[in-house]
Amino acid sequence: KAGVTQTPRYLIKTRGQQVTLSCSPISGHRSVSWYQQTPGQGLQFLFEYFSETQRNKGNFPGRFSGRQFSNSRSEMNVSTLELGDSALYLCASRSGLAVQETQYFGPGTRLLVL
Amino acid sequence: ILNVEQSPQSLHVQEGDSTNFTCSFPSSNFYALHWYRWETAKSPEALFVMTLNGDEKKKGRISATLNTKEGYSYLYIKGSQPEDSATYLCALGGGADGLTFGKGTHLIIQP
Repeated sequence: KAGVTQTPRYLIKTRGQQVTLSCSPISGHRSVSWYQQTPGQGLQFLFEYFSETQRNKGNFPGRFSGRQFSNSRSEMNVSTLELGDSALYLCASRSGLAVQETQYFGPGTRLLVL
Repeated sequence: ILNVEQSPQSLHVQEGDSTNFTCSFPSSNFYALHWYRWETAKSPEALFVMTLNGDEKKKGRISATLNTKEGYSYLYIKGSQPEDSATYLCALGGGADGLTFGKGTHLIIQP
């Protein structure tokens, strides 16, 4: 089975712009979660989608949004980029929502905001 | 907000030695504890998911134990090899906030 894929892998943007990141989950997985990793904060939860519905959201401003399509692929959008948004963005997929289910991570998209 | 602590922050171990590190978490409202290995420029790799107090899991030379009553998990690596060099992350799962990660233990195996 192919793993979780993310595109693009690297991205450079300037302040004020917006960006869209894409995540394709493992085939058959219906849940996609997004995480932000920064050197100071570690991995932090952004949001999770299941069957095209956002289930929950972490403590991030409204500039961060996402969506999920009927094929379970997910996109994350950040509007009005700030320098502090520079980070590695990881997505993870799992088949369902049981607490013991493993989340499988993609390689991430590294975003640099200048 | 859950607080997941990992110690030590970094660790240098001689090749062939065994090592272990700790993940501490609030013992109330426990659902699941996940361990990941994250090598530079790769995806985090799932190692274990543990849910029951007293759980012990093993994968090759790596094993983990769980104590939900006192709020800690240990990860053990037996006979460390250079390919074990990575950051090891633990995370609490099952709550409304996705996985809550610790900041990791950065392990360097010295030949």
